[in-house]
Amino acid sequence: DTGVSQDPRHKITKRGQNVTFRCDPISEHNRLYWYRQTLGQGPEFLTYFQNEAQLEKSRLLSDRFSAERPKGSFSTLEIQRTEQGDSAMYLCASSLGSTRELQYFGPGTRLTVT
Amino acid sequence: AQTVTQSQPEMSVQEAETVTLSCTYDTSENNYYLFWYKQPPSRQMILVIRQEAYKQQNATENRFSVNFQKAAKSFSLKISDSQLGDTAMYFCAFMTSNFGNEKLTFGTGTRLTIIP
Repeated sequence: DTGVSQDPRHKITKRGQNVTFRCDPISEHNRLYWYRQTLGQGPEFLTYFQNEAQLEKSRLLSDRFSAERPKGSFSTLEIQRTEQGDSAMYLCASSLGSTRELQYFGPGTRLTVT
Repeated sequence: AQTVTQSQPEMSVQEAETVTLSCTYDTSENNYYLFWYKQPPSRQMILVIRQEAYKQQNATENRFSVNFQKAAKSFSLKISDSQLGDTAMYFCAFMTSNFGNEKLTFGTGTRLTIIP
């Protein structure tokens, strides 16, 4: 069990560029979650997957955001036409269906939009 | 919609002392989970303790225990014999028991500093 991993750990990009983050959940975890955490705040839910199906999306996930989990394993979160307000820590978590309330978090990807 | 409120932005305590972090929440649900997560500086979020709302007994994990008051919608965390490694942001979180609604709703956090 290597835990939830995220790549990259840090990303600096210029406004208007597209960025993509990757999350690898704990193996055999069928649920995967994305959260966003801004400075001084708690994480806010963005979306989650059960296997490859995206089951819920927050209103925070604007049209510029898209998430995929094509084979039910790793997931990607893409932000198009980044804005300064997108600067945040993007956290991924995973859980097992039988204990879905136990979400294990990755280290996060810190995005800075200049 | 559920809300979670942590009214103590920062706290500090001497090493080996006991500290209590406060959390209140609002929900119309009857069955749910409550959590305390710890986020050390520049490190990932770790689950400290979990409470199921239908259980009256307060959860305990070693030095960490909760005081769950369902009627008052209060969920405080007590850390006994505090250690330097307890220095972190602590987040209270809520999750409904309903399948299909699996998001965690977090409070704004309490920054806890343990003073040597």
